[in-house]
Amino acid sequence: EVQLVESGGNLVQPGGSLRLSCSASGFTFSRYAMHWVRQAPGKGLEYASSISDDGLRTYYADSVKGRFTISRDNSKNTLYLHMTSLRAEDTAVYYCVKKHSSAWYDYWGQGTLVTVSS
Amino acid sequence: DIVMTQSPDSLAVSLGERATINCKSSQSVLYTSNNKNYLAWYQQKPGQPPKLLIYWASTREFGVPDRFSGSGSGTDFTLTISSLQAEDVAVYYCQQYYTTPPYTFGQGTKVEIK
Repeated sequence: EVQLVESGGNLVQPGGSLRLSCSASGFTFSRYAMHWVRQAPGKGLEYASSISDDGLRTYYADSVKGRFTISRDNSKNTLYLHMTSLRAEDTAVYYCVKKHSSAWYDYWGQGTLVTVSS
Repeated sequence: DIVMTQSPDSLAVSLGERATINCKSSQSVLYTSNNKNYLAWYQQKPGQPPKLLIYWASTREFGVPDRFSGSGSGTDFTLTISSLQAEDVAVYYCQQYYTTPPYTFGQGTKVEIK
């Protein structure tokens, strides 16, 4: 059974930093690209960042480019999102998402809440 | 980036009646070399992560009830719930995966019981 378990969400002050983790199991992690999708309270889904299966290619939404860094450790089956210079508008539930080889999202984690507030 | 626009933003349908959600992309998501539309639909119930319903615009994910169907091609797509059940109350999102990331979503359509 595929499982994606996010952790690391917390209350942080504007300008602060946070690192999210996503522990994956139930599939061969190193064979799949992984994404972070976020959802602000009461709002829709927004792509945040993604990384190729080998970790060599990364992509970012314009809204997070230069502030967030995605990475992965295939030996630990873990995905990361390092967030810096956090803003109130980064407040959201962050979902770890597995991308199917044909490109849709076939599995989602339960999400971890990041709140940016003073 | 491809912009996805859903309509309506919300709809209320009686139990057993049909619900129809539309999704329009700002450019075609039909890949002509394989004749596939790079579009998916997701269902999100309150307090839960989204769940994949349909991919390639019209292929139901394993385990999804056959009252859910997807149609359309190019830039215009539809998700139909043929006979609305109480458990279908949710927000529905379309998403294109035609381009390299970002894989953009529609703004969502909230389906409620009338």
